[in-house]
Amino acid sequence: DQQVKQNSPSLSVQEGRISILNCDYTNSMFDYFLWYKKYPAEGPTFLISISSIKDKNEDGRFTVFLNKSAKHLSLHIVPSQPGDSAVYFCAASGSEKLVFGKGTKLTVNP
Amino acid sequence: DVKVTQSSRYLVKRTGEKVFLECVQDMDHENMFWYRQDPGLGLRLIYFSYDVKMKEKGDIPEGYSVSREKKERFSLILESASTNQTSMYLCASTGGGPGYGYTFGSGTRLTVV
Repeated sequence: DQQVKQNSPSLSVQEGRISILNCDYTNSMFDYFLWYKKYPAEGPTFLISISSIKDKNEDGRFTVFLNKSAKHLSLHIVPSQPGDSAVYFCAASGSEKLVFGKGTKLTVNP
Repeated sequence: DVKVTQSSRYLVKRTGEKVFLECVQDMDHENMFWYRQDPGLGLRLIYFSYDVKMKEKGDIPEGYSVSREKKERFSLILESASTNQTSMYLCASTGGGPGYGYTFGSGTRLTVV
């Protein structure tokens, strides 16, 4: 049973526009949520996280929103750049162990 | 910056071979993890370790074992490699709370022929 779901395998946006990546989870015990970015042939790199006591966290062009009642989080990238093209993984934690979604491949077109 | 180093970027092994994937981290992290990444399946946890000589099974441990004799080193062992173990293998470590996330190595692309 998938505890963390990323229902969109891929997303394509134009450079300069907003990218919105979505993630749903089922376990109400999760207390931290993270986004990772992965380029081909490289390991994932940590992007941004949010604690369950918050509903928004910003870091430059990246903002994560958490809706606990809906068990939903989203990552907004504004403005999107071609270098943002990568696979984005949503992850959740209720302990030291992270549970990952299957990823969304973002393509930002020039 | 934490560094997680995986010894090989690319490996090609034959079916039935015993395969060792090595991972070393340089920040004295207690927790280390092995994942495999496959298209459409995301990151799946194979094994993890909270301390030296300790190991816990992840979601897909079958066909794998691990060794953690020193804090900085976590090895993944494929006892008898099979073609369905062709994958990208990723090692990670963490020493902070869950909000700090993991630091991943660059990955090992293993092909079993």
